[in-house]
Amino acid sequence: ILNVEQSPQSLHVQEGDSTNFTCSFPSSNFYALHWYRWETAKSPEALFVMTLNGDEKKKGRISATLNTKEGYSYLYIKGSQPEDSATYLCAFRGAQKLVFGQGTRLTINP
Amino acid sequence: DVKVTQSSRYLVKRTGEKVFLECVQDMDHENMFWYRQDPGLGLRLIYFSYDVKMKEKGDIPEGYSVSREKKERFSLILESASTNQTSMYLCASTLAGGYNSPLHFGNGTRLTVT
Repeated sequence: ILNVEQSPQSLHVQEGDSTNFTCSFPSSNFYALHWYRWETAKSPEALFVMTLNGDEKKKGRISATLNTKEGYSYLYIKGSQPEDSATYLCAFRGAQKLVFGQGTRLTINP
Repeated sequence: DVKVTQSSRYLVKRTGEKVFLECVQDMDHENMFWYRQDPGLGLRLIYFSYDVKMKEKGDIPEGYSVSREKKERFSLILESASTNQTSMYLCASTLAGGYNSPLHFGNGTRLTVT
């Protein structure tokens, strides 16, 4: 059974602060690592799909890094804003299928 | 803009009813998926389809079936709804072949079985 773990499960951050959270996944049979943002009452939206060890991706104030050898990815949010409040999901793509972590629920306090 | 539409946002059904959840995508995607989301758990794959009239079981197919008669439409069927099928159901689609193709999700259907 593939295990994809996200930590922390929930996080409260003051507006303007920067934050980061982690996705841990198997270090073998790696094909890709996906990050999604899921805002309340909306559909999950793809942020990044990362395939290469050492990959770094950026979208506005959000960035992600990937270490496939040790099996983790970090998602960073710089200068958090209220609109960043959402659940962030990572998903590990192995040889057969996509396996999701349980998500990190981020709340930005004004 | 890419769109995946799920027919209902909220549904309340009784135990034993047959329930249909509909999903339509307008992106000409080959692959379509049904997931469920429960508190504290990641999205779990119920069924997926790589082509019309083709289906594959995911991780938790028990109590569900699917239908894909047209490329754009993928239906999830609860043959006899039970209370443990109360959940958020998400449909998604993606292009064929690429493991690096992101999923495009619908808004979800929150199903309550009483």
